Amino acid sequence: SQQGEEDPQALSIQEGENATMNCSYKTSINNLQWYRQNSGRGLVHLILIRSNEREKHSGRLRVTLDTSKKSSSLLITASRAADTASYFCATRGSQGAQKLVFGQGTRLTINP
Amino acid sequence: EPEVTQTPSHQVTQMGQEVILRCVPISNHLYFYWYRQILGQKVEFLVSFYNNEISEKSEIFDDQFSVERPDGSNFTLKIRSTKLEDSAMYFCASRRGYQPQHFGDGTRLSIL
Repeated sequence: SQQGEEDPQALSIQEGENATMNCSYKTSINNLQWYRQNSGRGLVHLILIRSNEREKHSGRLRVTLDTSKKSSSLLITASRAADTASYFCATRGSQGAQKLVFGQGTRLTINP
Repeated sequence: EPEVTQTPSHQVTQMGQEVILRCVPISNHLYFYWYRQILGQKVEFLVSFYNNEISEKSEIFDDQFSVERPDGSNFTLKIRSTKLEDSAMYFCASRRGYQPQHFGDGTRLSIL
């Protein structure tokens, strides 16, 4: 079954620096999405990249997708303390499946 | 902005009891989902629901679980004869068309 796996599992950086998180998956996908989860809260959708796209931007977020390597990266530029959260990649399969398959997540801490 | 709302935020139940977790999806959404997240682990798909029937379910979603849309606004997850290992955060999500899934803040279920 497809499975998203992020690395690193935890990342701690200074405010203003860029944060990069990576995700790998195993099977063909329709799209890949990134979600943020603040402690004790639900998942907030950040960005979606389709399997025929290679890069996508949204504000300070940049996502890349390499389907040949079955991997994606999320870059957060000019990080802020409010970006402190867990970040998950989630894949939606290409066989009509509706479910999202989530990775283990990266715990990002932005130090002021 | 419309939100998915879940109640209760925290449910404590004795092992063997039945629980019903409630969700109010976003009003014009047509696809509904339940996921769970055991502490420290990945978010796992349980079930998807469309047009008043289950469209997909995971291996976790066995006979102990059921879902229902009793009226035009609520979407419930029932867990019969709860076990200790059912302790987790349960998330409801909904979406419309090809839009991303929107998640509620979850219900923390604690089985004693």
